[in-house]
Amino acid sequence: EVQLVESGGGLVKPGGSLRLSCAASGFTFSHAWMTWVRQAPGKGLEWVGRIKSKNDGGTTDYAAPVKGRFTISREDSKNMLYLQMNSLEIEDTAVYYCTTGSRRSGSQSPPIDYWGPGTLVTVSS
Amino acid sequence: IVMTQSPATLSVSPGERATLSCRASQSVSSNLAWYQQKCGQAPRLLIYGASTRATGIPARFSGSGSGTEFTLTISSLQSEDFAVYYCQQYNDWPPETFGQGTKVEIK
Repeated sequence: EVQLVESGGGLVKPGGSLRLSCAASGFTFSHAWMTWVRQAPGKGLEWVGRIKSKNDGGTTDYAAPVKGRFTISREDSKNMLYLQMNSLEIEDTAVYYCTTGSRRSGSQSPPIDYWGPGTLVTVSS
Repeated sequence: IVMTQSPATLSVSPGERATLSCRASQSVSSNLAWYQQKCGQAPRLLIYGASTRATGIPARFSGSGSGTEFTLTISSLQSEDFAVYYCQQYNDWPPETFGQGTKVEIK
């Protein structure tokens, strides 16, 4: 059974930093493209960024609002995904989901098959 | 790519049919997914590839469309189907954009 469990959320002041972690199990983590998605309170879903498998180059992509402030990394030996968040802004307040999916034939990228329960990040003074 | 869902809210009686729309600002081919999110829960994948049901999804959920126009149909709404539904394109990134959501509520 695929399991994704986020941790590291909490209250942080504007301009501060926080690192989220995601523990993965039940699938071959090293082969997976891993994505962070967030959801501000009462709002919709927002794609934050993704890291490809090392086999596919291990590259990262970010949404414009977080580019240059957030960094996604992975530790395949521990089945762990990370989101380092710097220069946090009030607008970064959200539940952050760790997600993954399986690529289907004909598609370069996978849909999101699996979601963690999420971890809440609150940016407030 | 901007994804636009309509309507924002859909009021439907149990047993009735619900039709949700999603429009992309440019073609996303068939790389379109639909998700269901209930209050306080993580989203769940319903449809991928515009029309393929994910594992364990009941047959009353169906998706159609390609290019820029997509539809999610729930043929006969059950009580557990009242939720928010999101479409997402995964054809072009970054980012792989979501629509703003359609809330399906009890009429």
